[in-house]
Amino acid sequence: NAGVTQTPKFRVLKTGQSMTLLCAQDMNHEYMYWYRQDPGMGLRLIHYSVGEGTTAKGEVPDGYNVSRLKKQNFLLGLESAAPSQTSVYFCASSPGTGVYNEQFFGPGTRLTVL
Amino acid sequence: GENVEQHPSTLSVQEGDSAVIKCTYSDSASNYFPWYKQELGKRPQLIIDIRSNVGEKKDQRIAVTLNKTAKHFSLHITETQPEDSAVYFCAASGWGGKLVFGAGTILRVKS
Repeated sequence: NAGVTQTPKFRVLKTGQSMTLLCAQDMNHEYMYWYRQDPGMGLRLIHYSVGEGTTAKGEVPDGYNVSRLKKQNFLLGLESAAPSQTSVYFCASSPGTGVYNEQFFGPGTRLTVL
Repeated sequence: GENVEQHPSTLSVQEGDSAVIKCTYSDSASNYFPWYKQELGKRPQLIIDIRSNVGEKKDQRIAVTLNKTAKHFSLHITETQPEDSAVYFCAASGWGGKLVFGAGTILRVKS
């Protein structure tokens, strides 16, 4: 099992450009999440999904959109990138059954917006 | 919503000493408290977790304690080793699985 994978690993964008980050998991997990990690601020939830076809806003959703068309994939889109979106982005997934849900993280995508 | 505060932000210990990291949370409905370790350039990985019906949990050199009344929980690492150097994150979650993370603690173990 590959677990949680993310593409790309690195990306440099110019202000105003758009891009999509792809997260894939092969553990048949129901829940998937997108976080951003900035120095001194921990991991902040951008959007999440509790099942195929569902999405919901997290703590810092502005400037991002997501889609979960297939259970195994969760896409994060930036329509018009801004320097404030320079960050490391982590995807995670969890089983979604029961109360206690360990989250499994992908390797991260380092995004720089110039 | 839930708010998690983590202290200290940096911690330096001598190899072999103990390290303690503390977190407080605001939502009394939270019932799951994991701790993640993140090495430089790597993904966060779960090292231990505790559920609200348990006061303490141990796994070799790592232990976590939970005080639901005071709404705080702590990570204890004994006999620290250089490979324990990393960033540690606490988190809290209620029903539905959403985690709210603390800001992280940089642990440096000096040999």
